[in-house]
Amino acid sequence: QVQLVQSGAEVKKPGASVKVSCKASGYTFTDYFMHWVRQAPGQGLEWMGWINPNSGGTNYAQTFQGRITMTRDTSISTAYMDLKRLRFDDTAVYYCARVFGGVGEFDYWGQGTLVTFSS
Amino acid sequence: QSVLTQPPSASGTPGQRVTISCSGSSSNIGSSYVYWYQQLPATAPKLLIYRNNQRPSGVPDRFSVSKSGTSASLAISGLRAEDEADYYCAAWDGSLSAWVFGGGTKLTVL
Repeated sequence: QVQLVQSGAEVKKPGASVKVSCKASGYTFTDYFMHWVRQAPGQGLEWMGWINPNSGGTNYAQTFQGRITMTRDTSISTAYMDLKRLRFDDTAVYYCARVFGGVGEFDYWGQGTLVTFSS
Repeated sequence: QSVLTQPPSASGTPGQRVTISCSGSSSNIGSSYVYWYQQLPATAPKLLIYRNNQRPSGVPDRFSVSKSGTSASLAISGLRAEDEADYYCAAWDGSLSAWVFGGGTKLTVL
């Protein structure tokens, strides 16, 4: 069965970076794009971008341009989302989600990774 | 401020039919498929409806969608307690070259 398993919760300081992983299983990793979506506490969903695991090509939402990098390691079927220069308003649950192509349904989601801040 | 507009809340009693609206523009709903996601408390979103009105296996036909122009509506008939969740609409926005979501509607089953 398809599974997307994300790395554990992170506690960061403002200005730091966070790298979240998403390990895929149950399907051919390179056949589906991996998208990242975040959800601030009590808020809605915000799309961050995608990576094509086959080519490594990426498409980032304008909001995150310059601060975000998505990569993948096809040998271990894992996608990564790296967000730099963290701010307090980056507090959120970060989800990976599988899509057949850049534009299509997000049919499987990871369990989410909470990123919070220490003072 | 979400690009797609949804009412923040909706409610109904068991067995009732409720609808949740989603309003967008010509660059998103007006020119692409609409998708709906259900998020139960403290869980990841789950695909509910794709390509306007297709249901993944396991989603009951109590859930249906209508779309007209730049708006869409999710209808839930025969409301059940387990339908209590947050519901999000989504569409690809060709002008923004980005996925856009509604702000979500919290459905309460009274």
